[in-house]
Amino acid sequence: VQLQQSGAELVKPGASVKLSCKASGYTFTEYIIHWVKQRSGQGLEWIGWFYPGSGSIKYNEKFKDKATLTADKSSSTVYMELSRLTSEDSAVYFCARHGYYGSSPAWFAYWGQGTLVTVSA
Amino acid sequence: DIQMTQSPASLSVSVGETVTITCRASENIYSNLAWYQQKQGKSPQLLVYAATNLADGVPSRFSGSGSGTQYSLKINSLQSEDFGSYYCQHFWGTPYTFGGGTKLEIK
Repeated sequence: VQLQQSGAELVKPGASVKLSCKASGYTFTEYIIHWVKQRSGQGLEWIGWFYPGSGSIKYNEKFKDKATLTADKSSSTVYMELSRLTSEDSAVYFCARHGYYGSSPAWFAYWGQGTLVTVSA
Repeated sequence: DIQMTQSPASLSVSVGETVTITCRASENIYSNLAWYQQKQGKSPQLLVYAATNLADGVPSRFSGSGSGTQYSLKINSLQSEDFGSYYCQHFWGTPYTFGGGTKLEIK
């Protein structure tokens, strides 16, 4: 199992950015992909998940107006777009795969390498 | 939201010692708990899932225990590669939340 995330981004305040997470080594439609935020030197926050099998999405209420999750089955890739960026959005964003197939609650079994987003004028 | 309170926030220990990290949930999470290790500049790696199950490839010196609202991660005979940050996380419904982390440093 591998999750390959897109490269670091430097974006201006007020802009949007779209991050990608390309999955390989398993059946893409069978497992939920999560997104997690980590600000420098701080803890981990769950943003939401995307289930490619059904197209269903679940957001943390805190991020529902900030993040938009989509996916492209043909390329086994999940995307997260972050909008109206501020300095508070500067962080490393990880994607992670669900612990087992389906949508029942589970741990995060595999993680991408992370994408650093820096919001600066 | 379920709050996860992790302690201690930091720990300075020597190689060979045994350490225990605890995590308290604000309500019963029915063993729906995972532990992760994160090295500086790297992504978190799964250590324990469902409170007591070691992930594939995790050394047996790691063990998880607990139930209800109280959980712990024990590391026997610390090795140099065990230093880093540790996080607990519940998956008893959304939003999933993490503990604040424990930074394990070499004494």
